[in-house]
Amino acid sequence: SQQGEEDPQALSIQEGENATMNCSYKTSINNLQWYRQNSGRGLVHLILIRSNEREKHSGRLRVTLDTSKKSSSLLITASRAADTASYFCATVYRMDSSYKLIFGSGTRLLVRP
Amino acid sequence: DTGVSQNPRHKITKRGQNVTFRCDPISEHNRLYWYRQTLGQGPEFLTYFQNEAQLEKSRLLSDRFSAERPKGSFSTLEIQRTEQGDSAMYLCASSLISPGIGGNYGYTFGSGTRLTVV
Repeated sequence: SQQGEEDPQALSIQEGENATMNCSYKTSINNLQWYRQNSGRGLVHLILIRSNEREKHSGRLRVTLDTSKKSSSLLITASRAADTASYFCATVYRMDSSYKLIFGSGTRLLVRP
Repeated sequence: DTGVSQNPRHKITKRGQNVTFRCDPISEHNRLYWYRQTLGQGPEFLTYFQNEAQLEKSRLLSDRFSAERPKGSFSTLEIQRTEQGDSAMYLCASSLISPGIGGNYGYTFGSGTRLTVV
């Protein structure tokens, strides 16, 4: 399957610490996106990184992409209790005449106050 | 326009009954997607519309499932003869452009409809 796979599946950290989540995928991609989902809610788009980019920042978020290793990482710096959520990577790749957005299984982040 | 709206938020139904969900996307977005998410998993693609045309359906979308977007605005997803395995969160998303072409925008998701089949 083309699904990205996140690692770790679950992460528990203390408020103020950094959280790092990793995503691996299988085939060439157009771009990779990270989403956050609070319990029982829809997903919120966080950041998009294109296949020709290596690093991108947005506020306390830093995303890296290594296309040679087919992997990406999401770093949340100075975490807050409100960052507690599930985080999903989603890969965009071309299949036939359209682009597809396929999600991984997510990392559940718990930030302890 | 405050985003993607889904109704109802929760639906409990008896096995064998039909259910219908509605999604109102962001008005400027011509692309609309349906995903299904089970507990502890990421969303799985079901189907995709560009305007009123249904351009793609996943193999997950059995013949009991049908989706429409009659005027290229809101969309409905109907499940006939529901089974317990249909219990999941059904998510709708919309976007203005293809995810592979330009921009830095992802999909905008609704809050989902949680279906419980008893």
